[in-house]
Amino acid sequence: SQELEQSPQSLIVQEGKNLTINCTSSKTLYGLYWYKQKYGEGLIFLMMLQKGGEEKSHEKITAKLDEKKQQSSLHITASQPSHAGIYLCGAVPLGKSSGDKLTFGTGTRLAVRP
Amino acid sequence: DTGVSQDPRHKITKRGQNVTFRCDPISEHNRLYWYRQTLGQGPEFLTYFQNEAQLEKSRLLSDRFSAERPKGSFSTLEIQRTEQGDSAMYLCASSPKITDTQYFGPGTRLTVL
Repeated sequence: SQELEQSPQSLIVQEGKNLTINCTSSKTLYGLYWYKQKYGEGLIFLMMLQKGGEEKSHEKITAKLDEKKQQSSLHITASQPSHAGIYLCGAVPLGKSSGDKLTFGTGTRLAVRP
Repeated sequence: DTGVSQDPRHKITKRGQNVTFRCDPISEHNRLYWYRQTLGQGPEFLTYFQNEAQLEKSRLLSDRFSAERPKGSFSTLEIQRTEQGDSAMYLCASSPKITDTQYFGPGTRLTVL
């Protein structure tokens, strides 16, 4: 079965610093999704990547998918306390169709010190 | 869009009791998913519907669990004879047929004493 590994498991950064979170799949992916979760709440959709080499940005967050479609990174520039939370990558493996179930990593817990 | 809603947000029950959760998807989203998330883990897939048809069930969904989406709109997830191991956050998501992004609700946190 497909597994997603996220690193680091947790991260504490000073406000204003940049940071990167990684997500690695054991299989080639159809699509890779990034979500953010506040503690005890639901998931907020951030970005979806589908093409090898694709890069998307929203405000200060940039996500990339490698050419082999097995690894993704999420980069936050000039972090703010509002970026704190749990970042989860979710994926649909190659061979499945869009709208299929997602497999998630265990998440990266980010704290931002003011 | 008002977003995916779930009810209740929190449920505390005693072992052996039955519980039912409700999920209202975003209007006109024909796919609806249920996931379960335990502390420190990512969500795990339980089941999903396309309109009223239940298309896939995870092996995590034992015979004590049943899900329905009778008219292709809201869905219910029932757990019979709850066990302490059922304590988790139950998340619902919906997706429109055109795109494949799943939008999640706030979740129902279940505590089984």
